[in-house]
Amino acid sequence: QSVLTQPPSVSGAPGQRVTISCAGSSSNIGAGYDVHWYQQLPGTAPKVLIHGNTNRPSGVPARFSASKSGTSASLAISGLQAEDEAYYYCQSYDSSLRVFGGGTKLTVL
Amino acid sequence: QVQVQQWGAGLLKPSETLSLTCAVYGESSSGYYWGWIRQAPGRGLEWIGEINHSGSTNYNPSLKSRATISVDTSKNQFSLRLSPVTAADTAVYYCARDQGFYWGIDIWGQGTKVTVSS
Repeated sequence: QSVLTQPPSVSGAPGQRVTISCAGSSSNIGAGYDVHWYQQLPGTAPKVLIHGNTNRPSGVPARFSASKSGTSASLAISGLQAEDEAYYYCQSYDSSLRVFGGGTKLTVL
Repeated sequence: QVQVQQWGAGLLKPSETLSLTCAVYGESSSGYYWGWIRQAPGRGLEWIGEINHSGSTNYNPSLKSRATISVDTSKNQFSLRLSPVTAADTAVYYCARDQGFYWGIDIWGQGTKVTVSS
C-alpha cells in the first residue's frame, strides 16, 4: 500500500487532455513538502518530469504541467501523443523519508 | 554530464545478502544525497534509503533495519547491502541522485534486476 494514492490507470485519445491525481495527507503533501512527478517508459528507469510541484526540467515539453493544493497534487498532459504512453509516479516527503504513489498507467487510445 | 553506473549480483538465495554498488561519474558525490529505490515485478517504486558524502543516512522503516547504505568518497561510490533477503526482495534496484525537496530525484542508474529464489 503506497503512502500516496494514484489511480491505477487513465486513458485518452491522441490530442486530448488527461489528468492524474496524487492524494496524500497532512504528514506529507499537506505538510507543505514539494511534489515531483516521474515518467517511466517500458523497460527504462524513471525520469523526472516535474519537480518542485510545478517546474519542468529542460527538455520536458510544455504539454506537461502540474499543480498542488492542500493534501493533493495533479499532473496534466495536454495534446496527448502516442509516446506519452507510460507509467507516471508522484513523489513527496514524509519528514526525512521519500514516499511514492503507486503509479498510474497512461494508455493512449 | 553526471552519470551513475551500478552493478551487483543478480541471483540470490533466501537468507543471503544483497550487495549493490553505484559509481558516480562526472562530478563529486559531495553535496547531494545518493539513494536506492526498488521496483518489484509489476509494482510501483519503493524508496529504500539514502546517504550523503559525510555518511548521514535515512532509511525506509518498512525494511526493518535490514538495509545498510555506505559511501566511499575516495572512489565516488556508494553501496547497498540488504540482509537477509527473501523472495519479497526480488526487484529491479535503482541507484539515484536525490537533489532534495525542490529538485527531486534527477539522475537514475540503469537498474539491476535481483532475483531471490531457492
